[in-house]
Amino acid sequence: AQKVTQAQTEISVVEKEDVTLDCVYETRDTTYYLFWYKQPPSGELVFLIRRNSFDEQNEISGRYSWNFQKSTSSFNFTITASQVVDSAVYFCALRGISGSARQLTFGSGTQLTVLP
Amino acid sequence: DAGITQSPRHKVTETGTPVTLRCHQTENHRYMYWYRQDPGHGLRLIHYSYGVKDTDKGEVSDGYSVSRSKTEDFLLTLESATSSQTSVYFCAISESEQVLTQFFGPGTRLTVL
Repeated sequence: AQKVTQAQTEISVVEKEDVTLDCVYETRDTTYYLFWYKQPPSGELVFLIRRNSFDEQNEISGRYSWNFQKSTSSFNFTITASQVVDSAVYFCALRGISGSARQLTFGSGTQLTVLP
Repeated sequence: DAGITQSPRHKVTETGTPVTLRCHQTENHRYMYWYRQDPGHGLRLIHYSYGVKDTDKGEVSDGYSVSRSKTEDFLLTLESATSSQTSVYFCAISESEQVLTQFFGPGTRLTVL
């Protein structure tokens, strides 16, 4: 079975600080896909990024960056110069390619609070 | 934003009553999913559909049934609601097996008293 662990249940930072959200995954598949979603206080789930297991290039999108390391089975998410609007629950998710692993497995989420 | 709506958005019901939640999409995507979100558990898959009349169970399917008679609609039914089914329910869609990203609806908050 595949598994996603987000060990940080809650993180609180002051605006303009950088913050990294950790995601560690387990899967038997050699091809898999990793995702990050954001859930702001309004409750909807917003897709942020998808990363394929065969593409280990890190990605940057504005203040957001993602560090994918297959060697440590981690897909960490960094917000640079955090803002109050970044306050949300962030979910990491994993999808394999075989059997039940083809379904999306979510971590339990990290509640990020950015204080003004 | 993906065109996904869920109805109702909020519902309070009593134990033992049947409840149906509806997910409607305007994207003509093949795959549709129902998840529940509970504190400490993230989102867990209940059922999914890979085409009209084609459905399969997810991780937490007990006590739930689904139906998909049209591409755009995916219904989730709780035949006899229990307090353990109090949760926030999300519908999601994805275009195909190749286009994997799932996009989510706004959610339905269900309270079973």
